[in-house]
Amino acid sequence: GQNIDQPTEMTATEGAIVQINCTYQTSGFNGLFWYQQHAGEAPTFLSYNVLDGLEEKGRFSSFLSRSKGYSYLLLKELQMKDSASYLCAVRGGRDDKIIFGKGTRLHILP
Amino acid sequence: DVKVTQSSRYLVKRTGEKVFLECVQDMDHENMFWYRQDPGLGLRLIYFSYDVKMKEKGDIPEGYSVSREKKERFSLILESASTNQTSMYLCASRSRTGQFFGPGTRLTVL
Repeated sequence: GQNIDQPTEMTATEGAIVQINCTYQTSGFNGLFWYQQHAGEAPTFLSYNVLDGLEEKGRFSSFLSRSKGYSYLLLKELQMKDSASYLCAVRGGRDDKIIFGKGTRLHILP
Repeated sequence: DVKVTQSSRYLVKRTGEKVFLECVQDMDHENMFWYRQDPGLGLRLIYFSYDVKMKEKGDIPEGYSVSREKKERFSLILESASTNQTSMYLCASRSRTGQFFGPGTRLTVL
């Protein structure tokens, strides 16, 4: 089966950097996604990592280590609008499904 | 840009009613998914489809069915709505490099 772990909540300060970790177990790994979700809204796609390494996209970067079953999302120059839940999701398994972690709620303090 | 639309943002139904939730995507994606999202439980996969007329059960299919008569449309059906099906329902469409969500339907069953 598939299992995904990420912290339930984190707090950071405006202008700072925060790293949200995700560990996973799956058979037949086909990629890892990160999504941002504001309260009451649908998840918004942030990144998709298939190969090991760091992918940078503006203020957001995502890292993957397949051998360790580990990923992180790095948010730089935090803004108040970054207050949201961040969902880690893994694609894989027998049916090539995408399974989601329960999300990390990020609070940004002024 | 990928566009995934859902027929309603908010829906209120009574116990025992048959409920149809419609999802349409405009990017010719073959893979489509239905999730529900509940506080503390995260996103859970109900059903998915990798082609027209094809459907597969996800992790929580009980009480639901689906229909995929056309590539762009994936419908979720609650045959006899119950109060424990009150939830946020999210449709998603997947390409090789990303999975994209519709805006969600918040269903309340009274």
